[in-house]
Amino acid sequence: AQTVTQSQPEMSVQEAETVTLSCTYDTSESNYYLFWYKQPPSRQMILVIRQEAYKQQNATENRFSVNFQKAAKSFSLKISDSQLGDTAMYFCAFMKYNNNDMRFGAGTRLTVKP
Amino acid sequence: GAGVSQSPSNKVTEKGKDVELRCDPISGHTALYWYRQSLGQGLEFLIYFQGNSAPDKSGLPSDRFSAERTGGSVSTLTIQRTQQEDSAVYLCASRGLAGTPGSTDTQYFGPGTRLTVL
Repeated sequence: AQTVTQSQPEMSVQEAETVTLSCTYDTSESNYYLFWYKQPPSRQMILVIRQEAYKQQNATENRFSVNFQKAAKSFSLKISDSQLGDTAMYFCAFMKYNNNDMRFGAGTRLTVKP
Repeated sequence: GAGVSQSPSNKVTEKGKDVELRCDPISGHTALYWYRQSLGQGLEFLIYFQGNSAPDKSGLPSDRFSAERTGGSVSTLTIQRTQQEDSAVYLCASRGLAGTPGSTDTQYFGPGTRLTVL
């Protein structure tokens, strides 16, 4: 079974600074997808960034980037130039290639302070 | 519609009553998921529908939980004889196939239904 671990229940960062959220996972699969989702107080889960395991290049989306270490089974999210609107729960998720369900970590609550 | 919608947004019920939660996926998305999110917790997979295939019910916590998907679109999650431990946010997500809006491997979520069982 696949498990996803987010070891930081809560984090905070000053506005405009950079923060890194950690995620590790356990799998015997070689092909899979990894995701970071953001859940603000509105409850709406929003896709932040996705990574395909067969791609060595780290995914980036504007201020969001990942550090994907396949051998270490690590998938951290870096948020640069943090903004107040980044305050939310962040969930790391794993999905096997061509599979039904997605496994989520327990989440990291990020607070961006002015 | 433009996104996944769910109704109601909030539901308060008494212990022992039945509830129905509705999900409207993104038009054209053939895959639909239900998740449960308890307070301060991550997402727990409940059930998955893909086209006309038999649903994957492996995540349903008990036989009080059931779900249907009519016409390959709208889905209803039913909880019978609700218990206080059923209180949670119930999230629905849909996923498309090649040629439809959105990546084929990305789930798009609705805003959820917050269920409170008194």
